[in-house]
Amino acid sequence: ELKVEQNPLFLSMQEGKNYTIYCNYSTTSDRLYWYRQDPGKSLESLFVLLSNGAVKQEGRLMASLDTKARLSTLHITAAVHDLSATYFCAASPHNNNDMRFGAGTRLTVKP
Amino acid sequence: GAGVSQTPSNKVTEKGKYVELRCDPISGHTALYWYRQSLGQGPEFLIYFQGTGAADDSGLPNDRFFAVRPEGSVSTLKIQRTERGDSAVYLCASSLTSGYGYTFGSGTRLTVV
Repeated sequence: ELKVEQNPLFLSMQEGKNYTIYCNYSTTSDRLYWYRQDPGKSLESLFVLLSNGAVKQEGRLMASLDTKARLSTLHITAAVHDLSATYFCAASPHNNNDMRFGAGTRLTVKP
Repeated sequence: GAGVSQTPSNKVTEKGKYVELRCDPISGHTALYWYRQSLGQGPEFLIYFQGTGAADDSGLPNDRFFAVRPEGSVSTLKIQRTERGDSAVYLCASSLTSGYGYTFGSGTRLTVV
């Protein structure tokens, strides 16, 4: 069964700093997703990564995928307060169309 | 509609009662997913529909949980003999085709007292 692990689970950053969130998954996966969730809200799709070496960027966030290492990263550049949220990665089991989520990384960006 | 609609947004029920949670996906989306999210945790997969049929129901925790999608659009998640441990936010998502472009609803917060 596909397991997804994220680390760190909690992250407190200063504004302007850079950091990386890591997402490991246990078995072959066809797709890797990153979502953002604000308190009391639903999930907002950030990135979908489909192939080895895929890199996508949106503003201060950049996601990458290494299928050989079964690892995805979400890199935060020059963090700002508005990025404070919980970030989830999710992977789709091979030949399956649903998602398995990690436990989430709760990010707090402090002035 | 413009997005995935879930009703009710909040539901409080007594232990042992039966509840139904409704999900109205984006028009034309053939794939529909149910997840359960407990406080401080990631969403837990429950069931996935492709059209009217359940393509994968391996995440349903036990036989008290059942879901239907009779016309390939609206889905209802049904929970019998509710337990306090069923308390969570139940999320629904839909996609145009399986595996891409998921849109999540705002969820139903179920509290069993």
